[in-house]
Amino acid sequence: DADVTQTPRNRITKTGKRIMLECSQTKGHDRMYWYRQDPGLGLRLIYYSFDVKDINKGEISDGYSVSRQAQAKFSLSLESAIPNQTALYFCASGAASGANVLTFGAGSRLTVL
Amino acid sequence: GENVEQHPSTLSVQEGDSAVIKCTYSDSASNYFPWYKQELGKGPQLIIDIRSNVGEKKDQRIAVTLNKTAKHFSLHITETQPEDSAVYFCAATYTGFQKLVFGTGTRLLVSP
Repeated sequence: DADVTQTPRNRITKTGKRIMLECSQTKGHDRMYWYRQDPGLGLRLIYYSFDVKDINKGEISDGYSVSRQAQAKFSLSLESAIPNQTALYFCASGAASGANVLTFGAGSRLTVL
Repeated sequence: GENVEQHPSTLSVQEGDSAVIKCTYSDSASNYFPWYKQELGKGPQLIIDIRSNVGEKKDQRIAVTLNKTAKHFSLHITETQPEDSAVYFCAATYTGFQKLVFGTGTRLLVSP
């Protein structure tokens, strides 16, 4: 099994719908992250969490919310999806100490029509 | 805050040639510079990293160089192979910040 698992891998939805992307990790990491990838823009940080009780906004948090249900689970929600939220979303985890090495999931491709 | 610029956005080479990807960063406090490789349909994976107390680091066919004065760091791939074809991301951060700031990515295509 993958160290970081994202579900769903692909999702097509309509404008205004609520969408949840889920992430779980088996690395035992304290830190979890949600990134968004767009062509030409690289990876941009949406939200990050350093432990279960810690949630922080990244550079592009507007229109998104997150929930850290447990050390191993970090979900991303779009309360009312809009077309410019069409993108590839990555969850990642990292250890609290040592190098800032991130382990990424395989990505969730979201299309908002 | 930190800003990382990455060039080129696309790079095409013939198998066996060398490939160089360059990044610049803005925050002089940054002291950790990783490189991630993203293969088609997969998430990015760390391939090499360098800390600011080192000027160069090698791992088989890949190497990274760092120029702290100029705030530049580069990824060098020698003897490229088709399996090197992927998107490569540079990133920067500093101790205590714990957030990686990524560059915009370079799509490398190695033709047989």
